[in-house]
Amino acid sequence: SQQGEEDPQALSIQEGENATMNCSYKTSINNLQWYRQNSGRGLVHLILIRSNEREKHSGRLRVTLDTSKKSSSLLITASRAADTASYFCATDLASNTGKLIFGQGTTLQVKP
Amino acid sequence: GAVVSQHPSRVICKSGTSVKIECRSLDFQATTMFWYRQFPKQSLMLMATSNEGSKATYEQGVEKDKFLINHASLTLSTLTVTSAHPEDSSFYICSMLEILSKETQYFGPGTRLLVL
Repeated sequence: SQQGEEDPQALSIQEGENATMNCSYKTSINNLQWYRQNSGRGLVHLILIRSNEREKHSGRLRVTLDTSKKSSSLLITASRAADTASYFCATDLASNTGKLIFGQGTTLQVKP
Repeated sequence: GAVVSQHPSRVICKSGTSVKIECRSLDFQATTMFWYRQFPKQSLMLMATSNEGSKATYEQGVEKDKFLINHASLTLSTLTVTSAHPEDSSFYICSMLEILSKETQYFGPGTRLLVL
């Protein structure tokens, strides 16, 4: 069953603007991961944040995690047309199985 | 970086035939592998988890006799869709959990299956 819910489902912005995507989940987690998927392609791992971390940066990406609210956000700053893709959060449940449960995803369009 | 390949990348078959999809890690070993299915404009749904040397664990609602998983080695897993029907048409993606990391999954590029 799906663990994560993401919002917005779709986001359209101009190049140079920031894009924020949110993810909520239901159960305890080991970590939360964000992935990007270009249309019809496989997944690219963006960033992993552990349950004891609150914020993480990687280049133009900033991820926050609030375990009390069971939510995470992904911020892409200074967006580029090449950032156009679907973005998914995935939770690694505290089950020691390594299973990832994916959210519904946010489709981001960055207009040049 | 770690690379996972899937073969074939795209397959079209007739209803009733079986299709085998291979998932192979090229430069690392994985004891645990996962198979996902993704319908158009939807998220990835976990189908099953396989550990090398043991039977796969299937998620609720996934028929194990229809989706046969063979975890042949630390670098190879196969998914066979038996007696495929049009409703099995989907994008199938594998991932591998690196043996040392236990956190990092590496995803294959996916296989698009179209059953006519």
